[in-house]
Amino acid sequence: TQLLEQSPQFLSIQEGENLTVYCNSSSVFSSLQWYRQEPGEGPVLLVTVVTGGEVKKLKRLTFQFGDARKDSSLHITAAQPGDTGLYLCAGAEGNTGFQKLVFGTGTRLLVSP
Amino acid sequence: NAGVMQNPRHLVRRRGQEARLRCSPMKGHSHVYWYRQLPEEGLKFMVYLQKENIIDESGMPKERFSAEFPKEGPSILRIQQVVRGDSAAYFCASSPSLSETQYFGPGTRLLVL
Repeated sequence: TQLLEQSPQFLSIQEGENLTVYCNSSSVFSSLQWYRQEPGEGPVLLVTVVTGGEVKKLKRLTFQFGDARKDSSLHITAAQPGDTGLYLCAGAEGNTGFQKLVFGTGTRLLVSP
Repeated sequence: NAGVMQNPRHLVRRRGQEARLRCSPMKGHSHVYWYRQLPEEGLKFMVYLQKENIIDESGMPKERFSAEFPKEGPSILRIQQVVRGDSAAYFCASSPSLSETQYFGPGTRLLVL
């Protein structure tokens, strides 16, 4: 089974600061997804990246998929308290079309007002 | 369109009892996935089912755990003779087809006393 490591594990910042979360693996994934999970809830999909080098923007969030499709980053500009949560990356492994997701270890973000 | 529904949201069992977790996929979704999230760990894939068929159960413990997705009704994850190590959040996800995005339910939090 492929492994995904996220860094940092914990991040506590002030409102208005920028931050970057990294998701790294030694293996290639067919696609990579970013989720945010609130306490007591299930993960909510933020974005899916498929092509190596792909960059996607979602308001203040910028997602990038590495050229070799082994790593990804999530950059948040001018963080707000509402961004607080657990951020998870997940790679789809297997080449049969079945999206067996391998989840990263998670980055817990706290944005203070 | 209601999202993925899971019940119960919280379940308390004593060691040796059985736990039944239910998942109703989104309308029109015929693919169901179960994941387990142990405390302070990431989500781990358990099993992938289509209607009446188990497609991939490579993440399921070999003993005590079983899953089904009958023609009618919800998918059920069954854990027999629960032990304390089974305490975790169990998430169900569904997708409309094989390679499309998985949407997660709110999870069932199982506590084994």
